[in-house]
Amino acid sequence: GESVGLHLPTLSVQEGDNSIINCAYSNSASDYFIWYKQESGKGPQFIIDIRSNMDKRQGQRVTVLLNKTVKHLSLQIAATQPGDSAVYFCAETTGGGSNYKLTFGKGTLLTVNP
Amino acid sequence: DTAVSQTPKYLVTQMGNDKSIKCEQNLGHDTMYWYKQDSKKFLKIMFSYNNKELIINETVPNRFSPKSPDKAHLNLHINSLELGDSAVYFCASSQVAGATIYFGEGSWLTVV
Repeated sequence: GESVGLHLPTLSVQEGDNSIINCAYSNSASDYFIWYKQESGKGPQFIIDIRSNMDKRQGQRVTVLLNKTVKHLSLQIAATQPGDSAVYFCAETTGGGSNYKLTFGKGTLLTVNP
Repeated sequence: DTAVSQTPKYLVTQMGNDKSIKCEQNLGHDTMYWYKQDSKKFLKIMFSYNNKELIINETVPNRFSPKSPDKAHLNLHINSLELGDSAVYFCASSQVAGATIYFGEGSWLTVV
């Protein structure tokens, strides 16, 4: 399934299914993108990153896809597990030099049902 | 070993008070940040410091004053606390500006 919603988008999947979390970014000049996972009561944790000269990058059970034409980023989680339940954020770098900063998207709440 | 550690984790205080949140990173990073997360989970940068020097100040009220005694520490002092300051404050660091940012566990501030 895909994430939908107006405020904090939510995605509910069954354990073992694949999850796709989507993100639209705003700055066509952004050259570095990161996905973070935030579990309840904790800080955001780095999952995977991708540079703008790539369109796909794979990690362990996760894949990030980048479509620069439409400024779209997605995170695919294979064989989703209950421990994957969290809020997922995409982030893009904006600015330049020492003014580089990460600008975060709205976040998507992923709930994995056993 | 906690890479980015911040204290206190929870803070409940009255309007008008002054409070501080401390942050330390043991990663040897040059750049440190403060982010604010509101009740809708929106994460927004407040400040960034590079090697003790203020680089980014995202139009944060003057009541918020970061201080970096050395590049491993970035503390946040807040004067005259207001109800709207209630949020989770995250300290973070990166090797250099633009590199992957690593976050602390957050400080939950509640102003009553």
